[in-house]
Amino acid sequence: QITLKESGPTLVKPTQTLTLTCTFSGFSFRTSQVAVGWIRQPPGKALEWLALIYWDDDKRYNPSLKNRLAITKDTSKNQVFLTLTNMDPVDTATYYCAHSRSHYTGFDPWGPGTLVTVSS
Amino acid sequence: DIQMTQSPASLSASVGDRVTITCRASQGISRYLNWYQQKPGKAPKLLIFAASSLQSGVPSRFSGSGSETDFTLTISRLQPEDFVVYYCQQTYKTPFTFGPGTKVDI
Repeated sequence: QITLKESGPTLVKPTQTLTLTCTFSGFSFRTSQVAVGWIRQPPGKALEWLALIYWDDDKRYNPSLKNRLAITKDTSKNQVFLTLTNMDPVDTATYYCAHSRSHYTGFDPWGPGTLVTVSS
Repeated sequence: DIQMTQSPASLSASVGDRVTITCRASQGISRYLNWYQQKPGKAPKLLIFAASSLQSGVPSRFSGSGSETDFTLTISRLQPEDFVVYYCQQTYKTPFTFGPGTKVDI
């Protein structure tokens, strides 16, 4: 059974850097084609895809946030990290991480999400 | 970026109804199209991948079709737990964009 869970600060100040951790079980980055993605959802709004890291450490980013985003992984600890710099109130959202077996199979499952509020 | 649109933005239906939600891509995406269901306060759940493949454990009343730019999600007989929000997503090319969502109201 695959599970994922996001963790990190619930409140950050404007201009600060957010670092979130996705801790997972039930799969490994040692398996070909596996990827973990980050998606966010502002309150009451739609989903926004942020970034993806593959088993071979290939990384993809949403160009609208590319200069602010970084995604990394620790294969030995089954963790993926997302860093978002220069936080702004518009970055207030629930942040989700999700497993992907391949481009053809979508993202499944997702973690429960973590709400991050940006406020001074 | 590939833009995804959904129609309608919301719809009202009754238990037992058949409903169809449309998703359109701004360019051809083959069949790299997924459908998610999101209940209030919960993470999205994958219903359909590769345009028409039913995810394991998802009831057979959900079905998907389409290719390239036009896709549909059909719920054959609405159940009370189906009155939530549905999103499409393309995984043809990064960024893997989502549609704006369709809310199904009772």
